[in-house]
Amino acid sequence: DAGVIQSPRHEVTEMGQEVTLRCKPISGHNSLFWYRQTMMRGLELLIYFNNNVPIDDSGMPEDRFSAKMPNASFSTLKIQPSEPRDSAVYFCASSLKVSNQPQHFGDGTRLSIL
Amino acid sequence: GQNIDQPTEMTATEGAIVQINCTYQTSGFNGLFWYQQHAGEAPTFLSYNVLDGLEEKGRFSSFLSRSKGYSYLLLKELQMKDSASYLCAVRLGFQKLVFGTGTRLLVSP
Repeated sequence: DAGVIQSPRHEVTEMGQEVTLRCKPISGHNSLFWYRQTMMRGLELLIYFNNNVPIDDSGMPEDRFSAKMPNASFSTLKIQPSEPRDSAVYFCASSLKVSNQPQHFGDGTRLSIL
Repeated sequence: GQNIDQPTEMTATEGAIVQINCTYQTSGFNGLFWYQQHAGEAPTFLSYNVLDGLEEKGRFSSFLSRSKGYSYLLLKELQMKDSASYLCAVRLGFQKLVFGTGTRLLVSP
């Protein structure tokens, strides 16, 4: 079975550029989560969706970050304009919307902003 | 704020038993998850506790005491491939997870 698929795996870009990260959740999962992981702060939840609707975006650091889920099989996380402090690994995860079900993570996007 | 504490690093020997502790002080509690993360890879689910007590899954067990805000992950018969980071995560509400910063475990021969 295909797991959560993220693209690109690596992204290197210059400060000020727009960055778009993509995620395809596991088929049948109705919850999707975006996380950011850094050495200093660990794994932090940015935003999550249930049935394509954003439920909690309190972890989104600034207005430069936005996320969309236009349908059940696709989500994007956009940073515009990007800054060096946005450099991190960004993970997407999906799960069934059932209390004891774990979240399944994609392989992540390693983002470097120069 | 939410506070989840784990030791930063631990070392152990192949074949031994290691216990990784996690203490938490959070505004809510609806279960605790343990994830394993190898360097450069995605976190993978290990265990889930919502009631007090021990859950056993092969070489891995996880314990929870809600009154003490405490959990541990027990790894038996350590193997080299167990060298990884172990993340403790508390679920707040129905789905939101808050993660600790993780414990890096190094298993030596």
